[in-house]
Amino acid sequence: GAGVSQTPSNKVTEKGKYVELRCDPISGHTALYWYRQSLGQGPEFLIYFQGTGAADDSGLPNDRFFAVRPEGSVSTLKIQRTERGDSAVYLCASSLSGFEDTQYFGPGTRLTVL
Amino acid sequence: GENVEQHPSTLSVQEGDSAVIKCTYSDSASNYFPWYKQELGKRPQLIIDIRSNVGEKKDQRIAVTLNKTAKHFSLHITETQPEDSAVYFCAASEDSGTYKYIFGTGTRLKVLA
Repeated sequence: GAGVSQTPSNKVTEKGKYVELRCDPISGHTALYWYRQSLGQGPEFLIYFQGTGAADDSGLPNDRFFAVRPEGSVSTLKIQRTERGDSAVYLCASSLSGFEDTQYFGPGTRLTVL
Repeated sequence: GENVEQHPSTLSVQEGDSAVIKCTYSDSASNYFPWYKQELGKRPQLIIDIRSNVGEKKDQRIAVTLNKTAKHFSLHITETQPEDSAVYFCAASEDSGTYKYIFGTGTRLKVLA
């Protein structure tokens, strides 16, 4: 079946601009995670959704970052007033129900802030 | 919270030799430990995982061992092939209700033909 998909694959923006990154999880997966991966590092947790609600947003670096999942499927990560330090690959993952299920990752969105 | 350390950061082996990557974790409540392979510019792909009620798991040339007492787990790849070259990440699923993964910093494996 279809895996996790993310759009766009690449996004180049200017400092101060607003960006939206989209994630389509595997159909039927109720748990959705966003991670950020900087060059040469492992993914770092940003936010976790169980259904429509953000159950844990403790990894969001500051209030410029926000994410939604209004219908419990597609999720959008929103970054306001982008800074050069936001440049990274943003990965989305989904799992069947959370708990200790395997997380399946999308291909990521490479964000570059000039 | 959970902390995961991974060693070595780079590893070069001759084709056909074995490779071992080691990780330690800090939270004794963690119960699930996946390993991901990531090729350049690609998504992390699960290659094997282990749960805390098991000490070892094998899948063809890949095996993972877990020592809960010492809080460390290892990935073993036997008969390495050039296509095994990639970055490997270990992770621990944090037992905090969200089961988010805490990743190690990665091991770049190069298999020399």
